[in-house]
Amino acid sequence: AQKITQTQPGMFVQEKEAVTLDCTYDTSDPSYGLFWYKQPSSGEMIFLIYQGSYDQQNATEGRYSLNFQKARKSANLVISASQLGDSAMYFCAMILSPESWGKLQFGAGTQVVVTP
Amino acid sequence: GAGVSQSPRYKVTKRGQDVALRCDPISGHVSLYWYRQALGQGPEFLTYFNYEAQQDKSGLPNDRFSAERPEGSISTLTIQRTEQRDSAMYRCASSFAGTGYTFGSGTRLTVV
Repeated sequence: AQKITQTQPGMFVQEKEAVTLDCTYDTSDPSYGLFWYKQPSSGEMIFLIYQGSYDQQNATEGRYSLNFQKARKSANLVISASQLGDSAMYFCAMILSPESWGKLQFGAGTQVVVTP
Repeated sequence: GAGVSQSPRYKVTKRGQDVALRCDPISGHVSLYWYRQALGQGPEFLTYFNYEAQQDKSGLPNDRFSAERPEGSISTLTIQRTEQRDSAMYRCASSFAGTGYTFGSGTRLTVV
């Protein structure tokens, strides 16, 4: 069975510092996709970044980058220059066979608090 | 519509009552998904549709839960004989072939 693991339940980070959120996954399927979502206290789910298993380069979206280490089955999110508005819950998620866009499997999440 | 719309936003119901949660996906989105999210946890897959066909219902916890999407657009998630353990945020998402998932704001269900 596929599994997503986020080992950090919560973390504090100072404004303007970078933060790395850990995510490991387990699948024997060669084709998969990895997502990161942000969930602020308002409850919405905000898409941040996506990495396909066959993508050669690590995904980047503005201040967000995904450190994809396929052999280690890890897909850590790096947020550079943290802002107070980055305080939220962050979820890693995986989809198998991205071309069919089936179900997403989520990790338990990491709560990030950015302090001034 | 511009986004995924879910109604009601909040629902309080007595144990044993049936509830119906509605999801109106983005116009033209083929796929529609239902998730359940307990407080402090990640969303848990329930079921999904391509057009009106239910593709996967492996996440539905028991036969009290059912979903339909009769015309390939609006979907309804029905929970019969609600129990307190059904209390959670129920989220709907839709997607169109590789464009990513868009989540609705969710329905917060409280069973008292």
